[in-house]
Amino acid sequence: DAGVTQSPTHLIKTRGQQVTLRCSPKSGHDTVSWYQQALGQGPQFIFQYYEEEERQRGNFPDRFSGHQFPNYSSELNVNALLLGDSALYLCASSSGTADGYTFGSGTRLTVV
Amino acid sequence: AQSVTQPDIHITVSEGASLELRCNYSYGATPYLFWYVQSPGQGLQLLLKYFSGDTLVQGIKGFEAEFKRSQSSFNLRKPSVHWSDAAEYFCAVVRPNTGNQFYFGTGTSLTVIP
Repeated sequence: DAGVTQSPTHLIKTRGQQVTLRCSPKSGHDTVSWYQQALGQGPQFIFQYYEEEERQRGNFPDRFSGHQFPNYSSELNVNALLLGDSALYLCASSSGTADGYTFGSGTRLTVV
Repeated sequence: AQSVTQPDIHITVSEGASLELRCNYSYGATPYLFWYVQSPGQGLQLLLKYFSGDTLVQGIKGFEAEFKRSQSSFNLRKPSVHWSDAAEYFCAVVRPNTGNQFYFGTGTSLTVIP
């Protein structure tokens, strides 16, 4: 049984560009959350999607947006990239409760 | 707002020695509590979790944690550390019935020396 799958694993972008990260949740999970983990820090909650709608949002600017598809997969989009957006982006899926929360291996984004 | 504090940024222990990693949280009620481990370049692996009940929780890889309500703590322990335990450890809390947003501490980096 595949867990949470994220793509790509690594990405290099130029400041000002836009990026899309993808996440496929674990089988049976319908809720997807995104986290940003800067170097040397703990993950910070970006937002959560359920039933194709953003259900919760952390303290991130509107440059960060997302989408959830009918098959529960999700995308994280970041516009107008800043150097400070360089981080490991983690996707987590669940079936609606904190129990069974599963993290992917992340996408390492480097903005130059 | 809730916060999670991991006072030790970096800990070094000898292989075979015991380990305790500290975690304190600030929240009005008892949250759900978690410990995760992260190896370099990897995602987060769940070690153990506490929702309610017995305050001593057993996890994978020989880890355990004890919830102490009076101290708002959830410290992680292991009686004998192995070299493969070297990694970054994160404590996290979730407020029950709030959509499952995780709040993480800043992590403790564990080095194991032979």
